Amino acid sequence: GIQVEQSPPDLILQEGANSTLRCNFSDSVNNLQWFHQNPWGQLINLFYIPSGTKQNGRLSATTVATERYSLLYISSSQTTDSGVYFCAVRLRETSGSRLTFGEGTQLTVNP
Amino acid sequence: NAGVMQNPRHLVRRRGQEARLRCSPMKGHSHVYWYRQLPEEGLKFMVYLQKENIIDESGMPKERFSAEFPKEGPSILRIQQVVRGDSAAYFCASSPSGGIGGNQPQHFGDGTRLSIL
Repeated sequence: GIQVEQSPPDLILQEGANSTLRCNFSDSVNNLQWFHQNPWGQLINLFYIPSGTKQNGRLSATTVATERYSLLYISSSQTTDSGVYFCAVRLRETSGSRLTFGEGTQLTVNP
Repeated sequence: NAGVMQNPRHLVRRRGQEARLRCSPMKGHSHVYWYRQLPEEGLKFMVYLQKENIIDESGMPKERFSAEFPKEGPSILRIQQVVRGDSAAYFCASSPSGGIGGNQPQHFGDGTRLSIL
């Protein structure tokens, strides 16, 4: 099945720092989403980005579908950015509509 | 404009009891997905349903688990004779009707945290 690998698995930052999270996937996809799971366990939809670049405030994401990776950029990080960031993809050729999640990047932003 | 609604938020059951988890999709969405998140892990697909139809249940355990999405009312994930290993967060997602379901973003609810005593 499709493999989704996220890096780094853990990241500790000081408030104000910038960071880049990476998601590699093993096959062609037609759906890629980035989520933030906050400390209360809620999943926040950040980006739907099967290709191209999008920006939303301090966050931006780029997916290069031909090279099978996506990047999530966090600028001027805040303590409220702490939590787990998940990348999830749907295979282009699959008969179903399941999302396959990576194992996540645990981000801790210290004041 | 309500999002995906799941209830209850927390559910405690004793071993051997039944657990029923409910999910109301976003307005206008007719595709529903259930995912399970074990502690310290990512989410794993369980089942994909449309109204009155199970489309893909390849991620569902073969025994004790069932799901439905009736013509009227919420989608239900049912776990019979629960065991300690069923303790997890169960998330529901929905996507818009029409088009190819997989090309639409999935919108997630806040999850149900199931604890088995």
